[in-house]
Amino acid sequence: DAKTTQPTSMDCAEGRAANLPCNHSTISGNEYVYWYRQIHSQGPQYIIHGLKNNETNEMASLIITEDRKSSTLILPHATLRDTAVYYCIGREGDDKIIFGKGTRLHILP
Amino acid sequence: GAVVSQHPSWVICKSGTSVKIECRSLDFQATTMFWYRQFPKQSLMLMATSNEGSKATYEQGVEKDKFLINHASLTLSTLTVTSAHPEDSSFYICSARRQGGYTFGSGTRLTVV
Repeated sequence: DAKTTQPTSMDCAEGRAANLPCNHSTISGNEYVYWYRQIHSQGPQYIIHGLKNNETNEMASLIITEDRKSSTLILPHATLRDTAVYYCIGREGDDKIIFGKGTRLHILP
Repeated sequence: GAVVSQHPSWVICKSGTSVKIECRSLDFQATTMFWYRQFPKQSLMLMATSNEGSKATYEQGVEKDKFLINHASLTLSTLTVTSAHPEDSSFYICSARRQGGYTFGSGTRLTVV
């Protein structure tokens, strides 16, 4: 799995877009970029994943750079319930998921 | 869809006793499940991969005789912490592989006193 690098923590004002960056410069051509989040004392929750193209679902948007060395998860209108640790993971096929340290996102009222 | 139920959500046990944690896939079959452990303010650490009908694969440094994993059916994997000690107190989380991704249980907080 690709090693990913994320900022340790970030703040975002409630109602604003939260943009969470992730560097994955060693990602291979077949590895997808996955994003999960973990709200305190709960199991991780799947958010979104992508390979090359930008992706959007009901939770978030994923922007992947053309060289695939980095990506940004966008929560369009952050709420207090989005406070969590966000994990960016590179994964190929049915590989097991290895978690890094993630970004602790604080949504400020 | 794709729900994983983990039970119990929390448990307190005495040092030296064993504790069993269950992980069930409710609406899909999971030939592969994963067990993680998470200490406070740390990330999830993969302990082992549980394969239905065969032995689990443990990550380096995880004692297989202490953390017994059984995956006897396509919907159930169990983790038994044997002879638990206070240092085994942690948040244990299971995950099941499904078509299109992975689903995680809600976790079990184990406190050994």
